[in-house]
Amino acid sequence: DTGVSQNPRHKITKRGQNVTFRCDPISEHNRLYWYRQTLGQGPEFLTYFQNEAQLEKSRLLSDRFSAERPKGSFSTLEIQRTEQGDSAMYLCASSLWDSAEAFFGQGTRLTVV
Amino acid sequence: QQQVKQSPQSLIVQKGGISIINCAYENTAFDYFPWYQQFPGKGPALLIAIRPDVSEKKEGRFTISFNKSAKQFSLHIMDSQPGDSATYFCAADSTGNQFYFGTGTSLTVIP
Repeated sequence: DTGVSQNPRHKITKRGQNVTFRCDPISEHNRLYWYRQTLGQGPEFLTYFQNEAQLEKSRLLSDRFSAERPKGSFSTLEIQRTEQGDSAMYLCASSLWDSAEAFFGQGTRLTVV
Repeated sequence: QQQVKQSPQSLIVQKGGISIINCAYENTAFDYFPWYQQFPGKGPALLIAIRPDVSEKKEGRFTISFNKSAKQFSLHIMDSQPGDSATYFCAADSTGNQFYFGTGTSLTVIP
């Protein structure tokens, strides 16, 4: 499978714990995006990488959120001190640098209890 | 502030009928308008996309109609099938850095 891969698919955590998600983009894609989707809503932009550089961050990305893309390959999204409001589907997408076509992974469903 | 407004919220269509979903935007800098299809528990899948230099794009049973002056675009699904039952999202982008998504339309196609 050469699509965008996200792990884990599901994560249940207790409030206050830290969680980390991983995204492996399509191999030749330079751009990588993180979105958050809550039930019944469209995805909301969180952050964007061009290769290893994080070029844009949404104000939704509070200080408790951090994303990295070392070496411009896979990316991780960490949420520290999780809150119940963080419960959502976290989606990763990737695209070529010169294409607007973005392809999404299956997402990681986070439940904070 | 919702950058892209989508309607209807839900839609029920008979098998073989035409499903129509509408979106409107305000930001004239938007220059790429994709539609995504999402099944429960899955990520959005790119269905079809259009740029404002054309008024219509067709791929199989899916057609995007684009009205630049009205700042509106719509998805038409011809000969709708039960397998088309999913949530559809329109989106818009101006920089290639982020999409602004609509709130989604839940489509149910009745056999």
